[in-house]
Amino acid sequence: SQQGEEDPQALSIQEGENATMNCSYKTSINNLQWYRQNSGRGLVHLILIRSNEREKHSGRLRVTLDTSKKSSSLLITASRAADTASYFCATGRNTGKLIFGQGTTLQVKP
Amino acid sequence: EADIYQTPRYLVIGTGKKITLECSQTMGHDKMYWYQQDPGMELHLIHYSYGVNSTEKGDLSSESTVSRIRTEHFPLTLESARPSHTSQYLCASSENGRGGKTGELFFGEGSRLTVL
Repeated sequence: SQQGEEDPQALSIQEGENATMNCSYKTSINNLQWYRQNSGRGLVHLILIRSNEREKHSGRLRVTLDTSKKSSSLLITASRAADTASYFCATGRNTGKLIFGQGTTLQVKP
Repeated sequence: EADIYQTPRYLVIGTGKKITLECSQTMGHDKMYWYQQDPGMELHLIHYSYGVNSTEKGDLSSESTVSRIRTEHFPLTLESARPSHTSQYLCASSENGRGGKTGELFFGEGSRLTVL
């Protein structure tokens, strides 16, 4: 992987349950972003957390960032079948480039 | 909906053909990017541009080339396609962040290329 690992690689849950995905990275960053990708489509930005922030919320999404451990987590609460997709973390550097992780494939069963 | 468009969405061609994947955005973004993604895998940055007449190679070596003659247009060209070029190519753009930092990327729907 260019940057780090996402864990788990695949996750299958029932509708209404919470889904947690983790992302680790290797170098210093100025922000970390999460994206969603439906099968065969482009990516859609979900949330951005800056390196000086520890937690951020957006609707049913909660993102945490621990720069000492070089890790982040994405929590989706009360999941829905429509949340079925792949989720990618991406780290932003001062170079202006965004480096993506390997992604977690989430399946939410109705 | 992001105002960034890629054509074609799907392309099947024979080995040795020249192809151009088009990418256009109407948001006035200076920064544009091309990522390559195999099914179920991570995205790899292959080209990026920070403005007109500025292009750089990304982290993954690619035989493709790009040009940036107009702010809104960032086409990718393969002079002689091979089966190893079969992949999905995703174009993205972003605003200029303060201090060169990278903000949110807006992605097109992707161009899925199959070379026979």
